[in-house]
Amino acid sequence: SAVISQKPSRDICQRGTSLTIQCQVDSQVTMMFWYRQQPGQSLTLIATANQGSEATYESGFVIDKFPISRPNLTFSTLTVSNMSPEDSSIYLCSVEDRQVPDTIYFGEGSWLTVV
Amino acid sequence: KNEVEQSPQNLTAQEGEFITINCSYSVGISALHWLQQHPGGGIVSLFMLSSGKKKHGRLIATINIQEKHSSLHITASHPRDSAVYICAVRSGSNYKLTFGKGTLLTVNP
Repeated sequence: SAVISQKPSRDICQRGTSLTIQCQVDSQVTMMFWYRQQPGQSLTLIATANQGSEATYESGFVIDKFPISRPNLTFSTLTVSNMSPEDSSIYLCSVEDRQVPDTIYFGEGSWLTVV
Repeated sequence: KNEVEQSPQNLTAQEGEFITINCSYSVGISALHWLQQHPGGGIVSLFMLSSGKKKHGRLIATINIQEKHSSLHITASHPRDSAVYICAVRSGSNYKLTFGKGTLLTVNP
């Protein structure tokens, strides 16, 4: 199994500022993902965090707005840049364990409110 | 594009009731996940199904591949079962998951 520590768990941010969310896993994992969950909506994949290279972004998400780092196999960060109220969401880190096929784990989520 | 539909969107039950949440999807899949999201936002994986039925405690999950449908059942529901239950599917060899919007379950004492 994998235990994911995500922080901050909750924050209120000013419009125009940026916030970095951290995701720490207690074991080395190959696949690490960042999701957004807007109020009342399903989870949407932002990007796949790749160790040692640029993240792979989904349609509608760009690196300038959501820069991602993944310096090693246990840690990643997601930055939400130049925030607007539309960025108010839960952001979730997720990992998949290739040792146990199709097993997925999520962090506790970071609930951001932009005012 | 694989669409995932859940029903009902909201469900209120009395403690002890038998609960059923449904999930339908539109294309062939390699796996279906049932997830539980607590009010704080954290998500826990309950089941992964590729066929048949799985049981864990009071939770039972079934899948019918031909009908592209899965159900999550909770027997003897309890207020601590109150959460959002989310269905997610993976199509073929694609590592990406498609999520339903979730079912908000409230179990009253």
